Amino acid sequence: LAKTTQPISMDSYEGQEVNITCSHNNIATNDYITWYQQFPSQGPRFIIQGYKTKVTNEVASLFIPADRKSSTLSLPRVSLSDTAVYYCLVGGSNTDKLIFGTGTRLQVFP
Amino acid sequence: DTGVSQNPRHKITKRGQNVTFRCDPISEHNRLYWYRQTLGQGPEFLTYFQNEAQLEKSRLLSDRFSAERPKGSFSTLEIQRTEQGDSAMYLCASSQPYGQALEQETQYFGPGTRLLVL
Repeated sequence: LAKTTQPISMDSYEGQEVNITCSHNNIATNDYITWYQQFPSQGPRFIIQGYKTKVTNEVASLFIPADRKSSTLSLPRVSLSDTAVYYCLVGGSNTDKLIFGTGTRLQVFP
Repeated sequence: DTGVSQNPRHKITKRGQNVTFRCDPISEHNRLYWYRQTLGQGPEFLTYFQNEAQLEKSRLLSDRFSAERPKGSFSTLEIQRTEQGDSAMYLCASSQPYGQALEQETQYFGPGTRLLVL
């Protein structure tokens, strides 16, 4: 399973756009890139998933370059409630379990 | 959709005691997963079921751990002779495979059971 690397922590202020980049140099052809969000004392929550180029939903955008060796989660205009840990994972339909790294701890300040 | 529920939410026990946690998945989901999460780390996979069949167990799941899903609905995770190193958050997740789709299925997590072994 492909290993992912992401920054340990990031700080931002309310209203700013936050971009969290994840490296996955050994991503397999069949792998998708998925991001989960976790608040303290809660289980992780699915945010977004993509295979290539750009995916956008009501919460975030996911940018994936052509070589797919990295991806960037973009959170527009963050608020205090976006303070959480964000995990980048890779896997496909043949991957049952989720492999989490240590994630990126995002702190949003007023 | 009531989501994934876990009971109890918190458990404090003494070393050497047995504990059992319960997970109720989203009703139509046939896959159920258990993960363990320690402070500052991401969740680590323990085991998973497809219906009532336990299909994979992690090396983290020592002989003191046992999980069941007797009727393919709720699941229990039992830890025998607890040790202080078992202190962690135990997370349950459920999912419904996408059939022929290629993407990884979305897993829906419960709130977890936080275990403290004294």
